[in-house]
Amino acid sequence: GQQVMQIPQYQHVQEGEDFTTYCNSSTTLSNIQWYKQRPGGHPVFLIQLVKSGEVKKQKRLTFQFGEAKKNSSLHITATQTTDVGTYFCAGIPGGGADGLTFGKGTHLIIQP
Amino acid sequence: NAGVMQNPRHLVRRRGQEARLRCSPMKGHSHVYWYRQLPEEGLKFMVYLQKENIIDESGMPKERFSAEFPKEGPSILRIQQVVRGDSAAYFCASSPGWQLYEQYFGPGTRLTVT
Repeated sequence: GQQVMQIPQYQHVQEGEDFTTYCNSSTTLSNIQWYKQRPGGHPVFLIQLVKSGEVKKQKRLTFQFGEAKKNSSLHITATQTTDVGTYFCAGIPGGGADGLTFGKGTHLIIQP
Repeated sequence: NAGVMQNPRHLVRRRGQEARLRCSPMKGHSHVYWYRQLPEEGLKFMVYLQKENIIDESGMPKERFSAEFPKEGPSILRIQQVVRGDSAAYFCASSPGWQLYEQYFGPGTRLTVT
């Protein structure tokens, strides 16, 4: 079935270092969304990308959607302790279920 | 504007009992989604409902699980004869439309089966 893969599963960084998580789908996605989940919390929507090659920025976060609409990335510049959490990408693969297919997430751990 | 409400937040059931999880979507949202999350895992889509209709239940186990979203009242995810493997966090999300809309998640119900 359709799958959304995310790497890495865990990322340890020193505070102030950059962080990137990558998302790859086995099928073309109509759109991709990114969510953040703090430990013990619930997913919170960050952004949605729809167009091929789209790039969006939110302060220190940069989101990209690949030209083929099968991959995406989230890059955080100069991480802060408030960035701790798990970052999920999610999409609706063409011809698949109507709900979002989530990647397994990247756990960001920041060492002060 | 209140967010997505879920209750109970924590639920403990013995094997064989029934679990009933409730979700009230955000005001104005008629699309509801249920997801299951195991520890250290992503969220797995279970079912998508609009008022009084199940649109897609392809992610829901065929037996013991059912969902509804009545005309009045919250959406209910019902698990009959629970087993230990049902222990997980169950999240409900709502949106004002389908596909190109962000989903707003509730705080989740942590189900523990003993």
